[in-house]
Amino acid sequence: ILNVEQSPQSLHVQEGDSTNFTCSFPSSNFYALHWYRWETAKSPEALFVMTLNGDEKKKGRISATLNTKEGYSYLYIKGSQPEDSATYLCAYSGSARQLTFGSGTQLTVLP
Amino acid sequence: KAGVTQTPRYLIKTRGQQVTLSCSPISGHRSVSWYQQTPGQGLQFLFEYFSETQRNKGNFPGRFSGRQFSNSRSEMNVSTLELGDSALYLCASRGNRSQETQYFGPGTRLLVL
Repeated sequence: ILNVEQSPQSLHVQEGDSTNFTCSFPSSNFYALHWYRWETAKSPEALFVMTLNGDEKKKGRISATLNTKEGYSYLYIKGSQPEDSATYLCAYSGSARQLTFGSGTQLTVLP
Repeated sequence: KAGVTQTPRYLIKTRGQQVTLSCSPISGHRSVSWYQQTPGQGLQFLFEYFSETQRNKGNFPGRFSGRQFSNSRSEMNVSTLELGDSALYLCASRGNRSQETQYFGPGTRLLVL
């Protein structure tokens, strides 16, 4: 059974704070690591897909890094805004190419 | 391009009944995956269909089945519903199996009484 762990489970930050979350995943049979943002009452939205060790991706104030050798990825949000409030999910894709999701980090940005 | 659509959006059934959920992928996408989301278990993979063939299957009982049509639309069926099947069912599509990003629909929320 594949184990994808995310921490913390939930997080409250003030507007303007920077924050980061962790995703750990199996380092064997690794194919890709995905990050999704899921706002209430909406569909999960793809943020990043990373495949290579050392990959770094950036989209506006959000960035992510990948370490496949030790099996972890970080997601960073710089200068959090209330509209960043959402659940952030990571998902591991192995040789079977199916997604195994973590339980998510629920972020609340307080104005 | 229209996104992934799912119907119905909400459904109430009773134990023992069966249910069919529908998913229309983004135009041109040939792969459709289904996921179940429950509060205790998070998002769990059910199965993936590509070109009308099931390619991967998650760890769910045989009561959960699916199919894909030649236009890539997919249906998921759950027979003999149990209370524990109450969940949000999401489908996701991607262009082909070499493309990693999956695009999710809004989900069907199923309540089993």
